[in-house]
Amino acid sequence: QVQLQESGPGRVKPSETLSLRCTVSGTSVDNSNYFWGWIRQAPGKGLEWIGSVRYIVRREYNPSLKSRVTVSADTSTNQFSLELSSVTAADTAVYYCARSVCSENRYYCYMDVWGKGTTVTVS
Amino acid sequence: QSLLTQPPSASGTPGQRVTISCSGRKSNIGGNTVNWYQLLPGTAPRLLIKSDTQRPSGVPDRFSGSKSGTSASLDISGLQSEDEAEYYCAAWDDSLDAYVFGPGTKVAV
Repeated sequence: QVQLQESGPGRVKPSETLSLRCTVSGTSVDNSNYFWGWIRQAPGKGLEWIGSVRYIVRREYNPSLKSRVTVSADTSTNQFSLELSSVTAADTAVYYCARSVCSENRYYCYMDVWGKGTTVTVS
Repeated sequence: QSLLTQPPSASGTPGQRVTISCSGRKSNIGGNTVNWYQLLPGTAPRLLIKSDTQRPSGVPDRFSGSKSGTSASLDISGLQSEDEAEYYCAAWDDSLDAYVFGPGTKVAV
């Protein structure tokens, strides 16, 4: 059974970098069949896709966050991570990590395994 | 502003049927498949419907999805109290080159 677990600081100061990790169990982050990504939900708001990484090197980001985001994977620890720089109060949210299954042209693309989420407050 | 449109809320009594709509455009729903997710407070989001109509293993058959053109729908038949949650539609958008979610629909039972 594949499981994901987010970890990281619950509070980050404005202008600093938010760093989160997602520990994967039951499969490997270098499995080329999957994308590994991050989604967030700000208070009172909907879900927002942040970005993902596949097979270690292929990365995709939400254009609205692209200049501040890095998603990377580490096969030695079987984890993947999120770094979001220059944070503001608008980055306060519950952050979820998730596994995605997508076709090459993205005709189908869905997140089938999710972590429970971790709350990050910027203050 | 979301590229996908959903009603903010829906409601029904136990046993009733509820339908949630999701409207998009050619670059997302019109050209790619739609997925539906359920969010319950304090729990991991759950994939309910993938690729327009497919139910992942373990999802009750009272949840069903459909799509026509640039619109999709999630039907919940035989509504139960545990269905009280937020529901989100989502799809890849070719113009934005990003995965987009609808604004979510809160279902009250």
